[in-house]
Amino acid sequence: QSVLTQPPSASGTPGQRVTISCSGSSSNIGSNYVYWYQQLPGTAPKLLIYRNNQRPSGVPDRFSGSKSGTSASLAISGLRSEDEADYYCAAWDDSLSAHVVFGGGTKLTVL
Amino acid sequence: EVQLVESGGGLVQPGGSLRLSCAASGFTFSSYWMSWVRQAPGKGLEWVANIKQDGSEKYYVDSVKGRFTISRDNAKNSLYLQMNSLRAEDTAVYYCARGGGSGWYMIDYWGQGTLVTVSS
Repeated sequence: QSVLTQPPSASGTPGQRVTISCSGSSSNIGSNYVYWYQQLPGTAPKLLIYRNNQRPSGVPDRFSGSKSGTSASLAISGLRSEDEADYYCAAWDDSLSAHVVFGGGTKLTVL
Repeated sequence: EVQLVESGGGLVQPGGSLRLSCAASGFTFSSYWMSWVRQAPGKGLEWVANIKQDGSEKYYVDSVKGRFTISRDNAKNSLYLQMNSLRAEDTAVYYCARGGGSGWYMIDYWGQGTLVTVSS
């Protein structure tokens, strides 16, 4: 059971806009930044969004992040076939049990 | 270019030990917190441990406390994970990752991973 909660799956057609949610608590999302990672099939994760809504160099502006209270969202606009991947949210957690917590991941299918 | 290259994975029997290594290049290794993150087959990501720049602070997920030890050698630009008393549930791809020392500086680069299989 992951500390952060994500829907296990999401889907959309090419060109569509999809959003993936991530729900946490006051000890993680509520008091710290949210990060998003993309994991293409058979590869290592890659940083997609940092500090809630910042994109690293090279990440298309089709990807955007937002946060409100203890929840966050990743939006992908102009969906493309190469966006089919697993997406994970993450945050620092102020509790003593784990410093870095991840969501369970959302598998995005481009129909 | 930031590069993180893990090694040391393999097949080990329950109760056995394994030491993972991660060779870092392309950045000033001694300036960053470093982390290990694992992913069981077909499952999500799980943070395992992290270590401060000078090695003075180390933290672990509850499930590996007392069994795993994270360490680093800044002179060799290397990160390590000593895994003892391995269990079947430790079977996973283990990723070396840069960052993860605070909410301001979370993980930004990942290695390609090394597979650890615990089975008799």
